[in-house]
Amino acid sequence: ETGVTQSPTHLIKTRGQQVTLRCSSQSGHNTVSWYQQALGQGPQFIFQYYREEENGRGNFPPRFSGLQFPNYSSELNVNALELDDSALYLCASSVTGGRNEQFFGPGTRLTVL
Amino acid sequence: DAKTTQPNSMESNEEEPVHLPCNHSTISGTDYIHWYRQLPSQGPEYVIHGLTSNVNNRMASLAIAEDRKSSTLILHRATLRDAAVYYCILRGSTNAGGTSYGKLTFGQGTILTVHP
Repeated sequence: ETGVTQSPTHLIKTRGQQVTLRCSSQSGHNTVSWYQQALGQGPQFIFQYYREEENGRGNFPPRFSGLQFPNYSSELNVNALELDDSALYLCASSVTGGRNEQFFGPGTRLTVL
Repeated sequence: DAKTTQPNSMESNEEEPVHLPCNHSTISGTDYIHWYRQLPSQGPEYVIHGLTSNVNNRMASLAIAEDRKSSTLILHRATLRDAAVYYCILRGSTNAGGTSYGKLTFGQGTILTVHP
């Protein structure tokens, strides 16, 4: 069974640019959540997608958006990057809307200069 | 979301048991207590969860107080690979629209150091 994978592993962008991060869910999982983890902090919930629709969102501005595809892979898009967006971005997949155990990927380290 | 309180750090010796405490005095009757851990340079990993009764699995045990205002994650024999940040989380199970979803609210967690 393949676990959750994320790409790229590392990414460097400059302020004002846009970025797309990708996640492949674990086989059979229909729910994906995205988290932002600043250095030394716990992960913060960005949003969740269930059956290709956003069904929960944390305290993040609209420039953070996402997509979930029919094969349950997912994208996180961030527009107009700011320095504070530098963080580890984690995706987690699960079944049945996320009430159960969530399986996390290794994350994408984004640096905004 | 109900808040959890954990010690910032704890230390243990290899092969000894470790008891990681968590206080959650504002827990609601439907909140499950989840534990995740995050090893260095990895994403969080599910450890265990429970509602009222104590729970055991291959990784750890979860002891839940009778009033549910606190819980303890027990690693029976710590190994060097157990060195990680351990997060105690109360599951938020619904959003304002009533649709259930599985947001995890992470705190600072407890940094566990295991000495050889």
